[in-house]
Amino acid sequence: GNSVTQMEGPVTLSEEAFLTINCTYTATGYPSLFWYVQYPGEGLQLLLKATKADDKGSNKGFEATYRKETTSFHLEKGSVQVSDSAVYFCAFLSGSARQLTFGSGTQLTVLP
Amino acid sequence: NAGVTQTPKFRVLKTGQSMTLLCAQDMNHEYMYWYRQDPGMGLRLIHYSVGEGTTAKGEVPDGYNVSRLKKQNFLLGLESAAPSQTSVYFCASSRTEIYEQYFGPGTRLTVT
Repeated sequence: GNSVTQMEGPVTLSEEAFLTINCTYTATGYPSLFWYVQYPGEGLQLLLKATKADDKGSNKGFEATYRKETTSFHLEKGSVQVSDSAVYFCAFLSGSARQLTFGSGTQLTVLP
Repeated sequence: NAGVTQTPKFRVLKTGQSMTLLCAQDMNHEYMYWYRQDPGMGLRLIHYSVGEGTTAKGEVPDGYNVSRLKKQNFLLGLESAAPSQTSVYFCASSRTEIYEQYFGPGTRLTVT
């Protein structure tokens, strides 16, 4: 069935370090892919998305590329800030379903 | 615009009690969703609605009921609360199933 496998956390980095959070998916067809971010005490917000193979989503310095051949959508940022501390969720929307399938989330803490 | 709002923010119930969670959106979105978030499990879809007067089951619907009498509101009911329903509940809305979902701030429910 449909599923998302996301890098387990928690992840702790120093400010200005490079970030990668891995995400792979199992889905039928060609899903749209998303990264959502949840700041402490808040609901989820869309961070970036990609709707077809080789698309790159980007926002706030974060990037992720839709890799159909490896069914992956890894999140990267070149230089993290303390304000990036949050939980990051990978998700996909498949053409055959009307619902998002979420990964389990990765807690990121950035230390000054 | 307030976006998506949820009432209440916190609630403690005893086993067997009932309650209703209210979700309201002011974006004229057709689709609305109820999720629960449990540690290490990401978000799981409980029920969703594709328009006023319609509802459908998601991944984990047992023990919950929903209603969408008005386009802007989506109610989640627990008829007889159980400790397994202790969770954080998020409501979301979207224009259609392919568009970004906007999330509310969440309701933290504890069932003792």
